Amino acid sequence: QVQLQESGPGLVQPSQTLSLTCNVSGGSISGTSYYWTWIRQHPKRGLEWIGHIHFSGFPYYNPSLQSRVTLSVDTSQNQFSLKLKSVSAADTAVYYCARETRAHASVWFDVWGQGTPVTVSS
Amino acid sequence: SSELTQDPAVSVALGQTVRITCQGDTLRTYYASWFQQKPGRPPLLVISGNTNRPSGIPDRFSGSSSGGTASLTITGAQAEDEAAYYCYSRDSSGNHVVFGGGTQLTVL
Repeated sequence: QVQLQESGPGLVQPSQTLSLTCNVSGGSISGTSYYWTWIRQHPKRGLEWIGHIHFSGFPYYNPSLQSRVTLSVDTSQNQFSLKLKSVSAADTAVYYCARETRAHASVWFDVWGQGTPVTVSS
Repeated sequence: SSELTQDPAVSVALGQTVRITCQGDTLRTYYASWFQQKPGRPPLLVISGNTNRPSGIPDRFSGSSSGGTASLTITGAQAEDEAAYYCYSRDSSGNHVVFGGGTQLTVL
C-alpha cells in the first residue's frame, strides 16, 4: 500500500523559499500511470492545486503560481519535492502531497500525505 | 480556470439520505471526484470519475452528474459521515484542477 509523507520546515520567513519533500513508500514513484502532486489548503481560502510532476520529470504548474514554483522528482530516493520562492503570509497553509491519476475526462487523488502546516512569518 | 460551487453546510437526520451538490460549467465536460475530510485528517477519496467508489468506501456513498451539476449522495447517513466534503475536477482548459469550497455535513 502506497503511503506518502511530507517533510520540511514549518516556519519560513517572508521573501524566502519554502522547500518541502514528499517521500513515497510501499510502491515506486516510477509508475507510468501516476502524477505526483502538491495541494495546499488555506485556512480561509480553501484548496489550491499547486501542480504535478510525472516520474519522467515533466512538471505542470498552476498558472497563478507558475512564476514562483518548481517541482522535481528523485527516482533514486523515491521522493518528489516542492520549492516555492518569494513567499508571503498568503502562502501560509497546510501543504499536502498526493498521488494523482488522470483518465479520460477524470482526475482524482487516491493517496494523500498527512499534510504539513507551513507558516510564513518573521 | 473554472469555479466549482458547493453549499457551505448541509444537515441530515441519522439514517436519512442526503445529497451534496457541486455546480460548475467545467462539469459539463469533465467528471467530478469527491473527498471527505475530518478535522485534522488528510482527505479521503470517496468518489472518482462522477460515479466510481474506491474499494473500502461504504456503498451508502454514491455519485452522479447531470449537466453542470455533480452530486454526492449518502443513503442512510451515519454519525461517522459527519465531515466536510469537497468536489474537484479539471478546469476548463483540462490541464489544471479546481476545487469546490466544501460542504460541511452535520448528522443530527
